Amino acid sequence: KQEVTQIPAALSVPEGENLVLNCSFTDSAIYNLQWFRQDPGKGLTSLLLIQSSQREQTSGRLNASLDKSSGRSTLYIAASQPGDSATYLCAVTAGANNLFFGTGTRLTVIP
Amino acid sequence: DTAVSQTPKYLVTQMGNDKSIKCEQNLGHDTMYWYKQDSKKFLKIMFSYNNKELIINETVPNRFSPKSPDKAHLNLHINSLELGDSAVYFCASSPGQTVEAFFGQGTRLTVV
Repeated sequence: KQEVTQIPAALSVPEGENLVLNCSFTDSAIYNLQWFRQDPGKGLTSLLLIQSSQREQTSGRLNASLDKSSGRSTLYIAASQPGDSATYLCAVTAGANNLFFGTGTRLTVIP
Repeated sequence: DTAVSQTPKYLVTQMGNDKSIKCEQNLGHDTMYWYKQDSKKFLKIMFSYNNKELIINETVPNRFSPKSPDKAHLNLHINSLELGDSAVYFCASSPGQTVEAFFGQGTRLTVV
């Protein structure tokens, strides 16, 4: 059974700092891995999608990496801003078109 | 235009009632999903529909039933609501396994 874990559960950093969020999954038989952002009381916004054959994806200040064999992904955020404060969720697509979500990392960027 | 839209956004109801949450996607995707986010913010899949056929049904009570009148809609019906059903329910859609999923804004259900 696929299980997705995210560490840390919460993170506070001063504005301008670079940071890394971690995601691990137990079964490497995935189609892709997706990073989402969720603001309080809001829905999920897709940030980056990495196919199982890819190693990384970049979008602006965000860079996501994937090491399928070790079951790990990282989301790197450069030059963090207060507007980056949100909960970040990773999810893997596996099985019969199912998204398995991690428990999320709550990020606070302090001005 | 909103890609995946859910209604209502908030729903407060009494125990024992029957309620429905509607979901529509205008992306032309083949697969739609319902997810439940519990109080600990953990998202877990409830149902998945592909071309109007149910392809996933996790261990969800049969009080919950998805209904798909057409490819663009997947509604969630809940009978005999219980306190433990209080959660945020998210609808999502995707064109397939290898591309990203798009989520609605969620419906916060509170059972009192």
